[in-house]
Amino acid sequence: NAGVTQTPKFRILKIGQSMTLQCTQDMNHNYMYWYRQDPGMGLKLIYYSVGAGITDKGEVPNGYNVSRSTTEDFPLRLELAAPSQTSVYFCASSFLTGLNTEAFFGQGTRLTVV
Amino acid sequence: AQSVTQLDSQVPVFEEAPVELRCNYSSSVSVYLFWYVQYPNQGLQLLLKYLSGSTLVKSINGFEAEFNKSQTSFHLRKPSVHISDTAEYFCAVIPGGAQKLVFGQGTRLTINP
Repeated sequence: NAGVTQTPKFRILKIGQSMTLQCTQDMNHNYMYWYRQDPGMGLKLIYYSVGAGITDKGEVPNGYNVSRSTTEDFPLRLELAAPSQTSVYFCASSFLTGLNTEAFFGQGTRLTVV
Repeated sequence: AQSVTQLDSQVPVFEEAPVELRCNYSSSVSVYLFWYVQYPNQGLQLLLKYLSGSTLVKSINGFEAEFNKSQTSFHLRKPSVHISDTAEYFCAVIPGGAQKLVFGQGTRLTINP
């Protein structure tokens, strides 16, 4: 059971570089999410998707982009990395129906921008 | 906007002592409520959830939480903690009709021998 898989686990970027954080799930969930976790701040929602081809902004979308071309994949793109984007990023997926309502999380990507 | 407040950022307790981690949410017509646990250097795992029905929900490792609609709370309790319970605990809510999970700031539970 793979669940939600994120790659890479760690990455160091220089200011101004770009990268894509990969996320894939094998549970056929319609909902997918990207969160960032900063110490003492909990998890902040960056973007989410309710299905293939549909994405929407969360609380902190600036500096990020997403796409959802398939049910399984939900990559997060950083175009011009900034030190403020140093964080731990978590991808999650879920159903939001009845007793199956529950989000499953990946192991996280620790990103440092220097 | 829906919000979740975890009143304690850190809770230190002695092993085998009881613990309560507090969570309050802003009022909504209906909500789904969750507690997630994050062990060091890992992702988040679901501990327990309230969707409907009985207001007292329990996890397999001895934690329980009670949905209190009048006080808009969903506090997490365990009667006797173990060293292995050391982790960060997050309260989260899906407001009625919403499509996203909103998290509190987290509570770091530290167990002292």
